[in-house]
Formats: sequence, structure tokens, C-alpha cells
Amino acid sequence: GDSVTQMEGPVTLSEEAFLTINCTYTATGYPSLFWYVQYPGEGLQLLLKATKADDKGSNKGFEATYRKETTSFHLEKGSVQVSDSAVYFCALTGPTTDSWGKLQFGAGTQVVVTP
Amino acid sequence: NAGVTQTPKFQVLKTGQSMTLQCAQDMNHEYMSWYRQDPGMGLRLIHYSVGAGITDQGEVPNGYNVSRSTTEDFPLRLLSAAPSQTSVYFCASRPLGQNNEQFFGPGTRLTVL
Repeated sequence: GDSVTQMEGPVTLSEEAFLTINCTYTATGYPSLFWYVQYPGEGLQLLLKATKADDKGSNKGFEATYRKETTSFHLEKGSVQVSDSAVYFCALTGPTTDSWGKLQFGAGTQVVVTP
Repeated sequence: NAGVTQTPKFQVLKTGQSMTLQCAQDMNHEYMSWYRQDPGMGLRLIHYSVGAGITDQGEVPNGYNVSRSTTEDFPLRLLSAAPSQTSVYFCASRPLGQNNEQFFGPGTRLTVL
């Protein structure tokens, strides 16, 4: 079945550092790829998405590119802030109608940004 | 819009007790789902619904029941709680169609003793 693997955390960074969170996936066909963020004590929010190969999703300074050849969707941000401290989840949905709403999540990566 | 709301926020149960986790959304979304979040495992799909009167099982449905009598509400029932059901539960909703955003509720933290 489909699966998502992302790097383990926690990742601890200083403010203004560069952030990369690796995410790779296994899926049949062409899935859609997502990054969700969970701030402390809250539910998940969609951060960005990409729906076809070579698409780049971007939001709030974060970017991720859908790489079909390496089955990856790594998240990057050039200069993190303390407010970026959160847990980040990579996820996918399958290409068939019955899989559109079924998110398959990675384990999550906790990011801690210190002043 | 309140978005997706869940009650209660916290709950402690004893093994064998039953309870219902409530979920409601005011966005008129057809699709609703329940996930559980466990450390190191991300979120896993329990049950989902594509509209009133229609429900189906996700990845980890055992021990849970759902029903969907209205578009707005999608309660999750634990008939006989077990310690393995200790988790954080999230309800989500989205419009039908490919690649639409899922909106998550704030979660219910459940502990089964």
C-alpha cells in the first residue's frame, strides 16, 4: 500500500537558519502530495500541496517540489522564525476517486526554533 | 464560520466504558473523517463518510462505530474502550473532489485506564 517516510525529529534550529525536512513516498500512479503543520495544542493545517510531477507548492516562505523520479517532496524554508516551531507532516492521497479524501501521513517531524 | 468543532477536548475512561466523541462542521462539506494520532505513527484514518447516510472503514476501524445522519455531524463511538485506544482523535472535513483541502478540528485527547 501507499506509505510516506519522513525524517525523524526533533530538529532544533536557531532563528534565521535554513530548514529542510525530507519526505519520500511509495505509491502507485501519481498521488497528490501535501505538507500539514500542527502548532502546539492545535489541529493540523494545510501548509502547501502539489498535485503533479515537478509542481512546486509554496506558502509562508515554505516550499516543496514534487519529484517523481526520486519519489520525494522535501520541505524547505530559507530563514526560520521561532513561530515556525511545530510538528510538520508529509502526506499523500491516491489518484483514484475513492482515495481522494484518505490522507496517508508520515510520522511527523517536530521542529524547534530557538531565538 | 466555526469550522470543525470537536467535543470534549479531554476525556478519561475506564476500560470497558463507552463514549461518543462529537464532531460538527458548518462548511457544508460532504466528506468527513476521523483520524487517530499516536506518537511516531502520524495520523491514521479510522472511518470516513462521503455524505449523509454513507460511511466506510479506514485503516484502523476496529473498536469504533460511526454514523452520519446529517451533513454537519459525524460522531465517533467507542463501544467498549480499551487502553490501546488511548490517543488523540481528530475529525476532518473537506468538499468532494480531488485535491481539496481537509480542515481539521482541534482534537480530543482520550485516555483509557
